[in-house]
Amino acid sequence: DAKTTQPPSMDCAEGRAANLPCNHSTISGNEYVYWYRQIHSQGPQYIIHGLKNNETNEMASLIITEDRKSSTLILPHATLRDTAVYYCIVKGTSGSRLTFGEGTQLTVNP
Amino acid sequence: ETGVTQSPTHLIKTRGQQVTLRCSSQSGHNTVSWYQQALGQGPQFIFQYYREEENGRGNFPPRFSGLQFPNYSSELNVNALELDDSALYLCASSLRMGASSYEQYFGPGTRLTVT
Repeated sequence: DAKTTQPPSMDCAEGRAANLPCNHSTISGNEYVYWYRQIHSQGPQYIIHGLKNNETNEMASLIITEDRKSSTLILPHATLRDTAVYYCIVKGTSGSRLTFGEGTQLTVNP
Repeated sequence: ETGVTQSPTHLIKTRGQQVTLRCSSQSGHNTVSWYQQALGQGPQFIFQYYREEENGRGNFPPRFSGLQFPNYSSELNVNALELDDSALYLCASSLRMGASSYEQYFGPGTRLTVT
């Protein structure tokens, strides 16, 4: 599975959009980009995933660049409850494991 | 709430002992993965079970073993506990259809402390 690079930390004001970047320059054609988040001491929570098209669900939007070498997770209206570590993971459909990196600690400030 | 449950929530064991952790998968899922998360680090893949067989294993010694039952629930067994085994153990369930494996949903974890 391809390696990902994320900034170690980011801050966001409550009510504003949080844009979390991820670089995955070695991604293969059949690998998806997954986003999970982990609130302190809880199990990781699945957010969204995508292959090449932009995706949106009730939690977030995922924007993948045309060359697929990077992506951005967007939380449109961040709340204090969105404070968590956000992990960007690349995985093929047949792969069994999620390979977690360091992730980005997002802090939403009042 | 993902529908994935784990037991127990917390556990304290002594070095050299053995431990069994349990996981019930989300309804409709047929695959269970186990992860170890040490303090301050991201989760590390231990192994995955599909159709009651191990289907992929991370860099963990043989004293980490598992089982999957016909109802898709799973156990993680760790023998000869070491202090470094102290961690949050996470179970994740997912659906596998043919060669395709879909998103994994995690349980709340079991906090194991080895003294």
